[in-house]
Amino acid sequence: AQSVAQPEDQVNVAEGNPLTVKCTYSVSGNPYLFWYVQYPNRGLQFLLKYITGDNLVKGSYGFEAEFNKSQTSFHLKKPSALVSDSALYFCAVRDPSYSGAGSYQLTFGKGTKLSVIP
Amino acid sequence: EAGVAQSPRYKIIEKRQSVAFWCNPISGHATLYWYQQILGQGPKLLIQFQNNGVVDDSQLPKDRFSAERLKGVDSTLKIQPAKLEDSAVYLCASSSRMGGSSYNSPLHFGNGTRLTVT
Repeated sequence: AQSVAQPEDQVNVAEGNPLTVKCTYSVSGNPYLFWYVQYPNRGLQFLLKYITGDNLVKGSYGFEAEFNKSQTSFHLKKPSALVSDSALYFCAVRDPSYSGAGSYQLTFGKGTKLSVIP
Repeated sequence: EAGVAQSPRYKIIEKRQSVAFWCNPISGHATLYWYQQILGQGPKLLIQFQNNGVVDDSQLPKDRFSAERLKGVDSTLKIQPAKLEDSAVYLCASSSRMGGSSYNSPLHFGNGTRLTVT
């Protein structure tokens, strides 16, 4: 079975500082990894994904994420935070090698609330 | 392109009543998902359709929840009878493809229906 953990419920960062939102995963094979963002009273929006290839993935709104297979992590980063980045961020994983029940599922973490302080 | 449309946005019902949610996916998207997002948790997949067939409903409480996607476009999710623990945001999502290497297609979410059961 696949799982994903976001160890921080909340991350606070000052505007202009770099930000990191942490994510670790557990799958039996090679993972497909995703980050989504959710603004208040809205659905989730896709930010970026890692499927294969370069471990550093660039996505929307200046975000990037680094895949680290040895640490089973996929942390979301941004060099300079904006107040408008304040939102709920979800990491998600899919194990394409798993063929049991629920094999097509995308499993989400519980989310990390990012607050960027002016 | 128009996004995923969901209605209603909010619904308040008493326990043991029934409720239905509607979703219209992005035009041409063959795969449709219903997720349940309880406050403070990540979205949990309830059911996944490929065209008008069910791919995965392993986490759908079938004694009270039902869903259909007639004609492979719009979908309806129903709860009958509702329980207090069904209070959540119900998210509909769609993606363009599924299966094989297309596991990596990002999901496009609607804004959700917030259900409160009293």
